[in-house]
Amino acid sequence: GENVEQHPSTLSVQEGDSAVIKCTYSDSASNYFPWYKQELGKRPQLIIDIRSNVGEKKDQRIAVTLNKTAKHFSLHITETQPEDSAVYFCAASKGNQFYFGTGTSLTVIP
Amino acid sequence: SAVISQKPSRDICQRGTSLTIQCQVDSQVTMMFWYRQQPGQSLTLIATANQGSEATYESGFVIDKFPISRPNLTFSTLTVSNMSPEDSSIYLCSMTGSYNEQFFGPGTRLTVL
Repeated sequence: GENVEQHPSTLSVQEGDSAVIKCTYSDSASNYFPWYKQELGKRPQLIIDIRSNVGEKKDQRIAVTLNKTAKHFSLHITETQPEDSAVYFCAASKGNQFYFGTGTSLTVIP
Repeated sequence: SAVISQKPSRDICQRGTSLTIQCQVDSQVTMMFWYRQQPGQSLTLIATANQGSEATYESGFVIDKFPISRPNLTFSTLTVSNMSPEDSSIYLCSMTGSYNEQFFGPGTRLTVL
């Protein structure tokens, strides 16, 4: 089956700096890569996703890149704000099967 | 996107009892899923709830422990049977959107004493 690894497990940045979270996957058949943000006590919320026919996607301060050859994808958050503090999960999917990374706890220090 | 609700939002149960969690979606969806999220951990898929047929369980999860119903395209239940403290967790249902995205319900926080 698919194996998704996520790094780092914790990340602290100063407000205004950038944050990068990286994930690798093992199954070359995976073709959909979403990122979720989970605030304490809340449900995971889809924040951005990318499909295997695209190398990069951006939505305001958030961007995701995908390298299919190396089987890794990354989340980039620029100009971080305290409200970006949360746990972020990556996932890899083929069909209806979703495999989640172990999560990154991001803290943005004001 | 569709609105997903779960009941109960939280419960405290005694060892050996069972709890049924309900998941309601405000539109018809083909695929619904049940996940477990243990404290500070990632999301682990328990099973896919198939409408009109038995659920498909992931490795490590069995129907006797986690029976699932899917009577129609908007509703599903997950029962956690014969509970032990190790079952304390957050249980989340999810559904797929038009482009295969997954959207999660608010979760049910279960504590087993």
